[in-house]
Amino acid sequence: AQTVTQSQPEMSVQEAETVTLSCTYDTSESDYYLFWYKQPPSRQMILVIRQEAYKQQNATENRFSVNFQKAAKSFSLKISDSQLGDAAMYFCAYSRAYNTDKLIFGTGTRLQVFP
Amino acid sequence: NAGVMQNPRHLVRRRGQEARLRCSPMKGHSHVYWYRQLPEEGLKFMVYLQKENIIDESGMPKERFSAEFPKEGPSILRIQQVVRGDSAAYFCASSLTGAYNEQFFGPGTRLTVL
Repeated sequence: AQTVTQSQPEMSVQEAETVTLSCTYDTSESDYYLFWYKQPPSRQMILVIRQEAYKQQNATENRFSVNFQKAAKSFSLKISDSQLGDAAMYFCAYSRAYNTDKLIFGTGTRLQVFP
Repeated sequence: NAGVMQNPRHLVRRRGQEARLRCSPMKGHSHVYWYRQLPEEGLKFMVYLQKENIIDESGMPKERFSAEFPKEGPSILRIQQVVRGDSAAYFCASSLTGAYNEQFFGPGTRLTVL
């Protein structure tokens, strides 16, 4: 069975600094998708970034980038130039590489951003 | 284009009552997923539906829970005879066919069982 592990329950960063959130996963599939979702206090789940496992290039979306290490089954999220609005729960998620499939989530990392 | 809509946003039930949670997917989306988030935990998959079909219900509790996505109208998650342990946030997500499994989430329904 596939599993997703986030070993950092809480992280903190100062405004304008960079922070990295860790995620590891376990799967026997060779192709799959990985996601980072943000959940602010409003509880709305917002997709931050997506990575397709067959792509070697790390995904980037503005200040958000990932470090995808397929052999190590690691998928970390780097937030550059942190802003107060980045404060939220961040969830790593996995799905098989189907067009539609359930998402398997980690337990989340709570990110605090200090001015 | 309106996002995924869920109602009610908050629902309070007494033990033994029924809870009905509704989800309207984004326009053009034919795939609906339900997830449950217990306090201080991540989201757990419950069920995946397409119009008039349950595709994967591997995360649904065997008793008291059911889901449907009729040809017309919203998807419904129904919980019969609620217990305190059902208190959670229930999220619905929808996706398009052929969209690399990109799921868009609704704002959730927070169910409180007294």
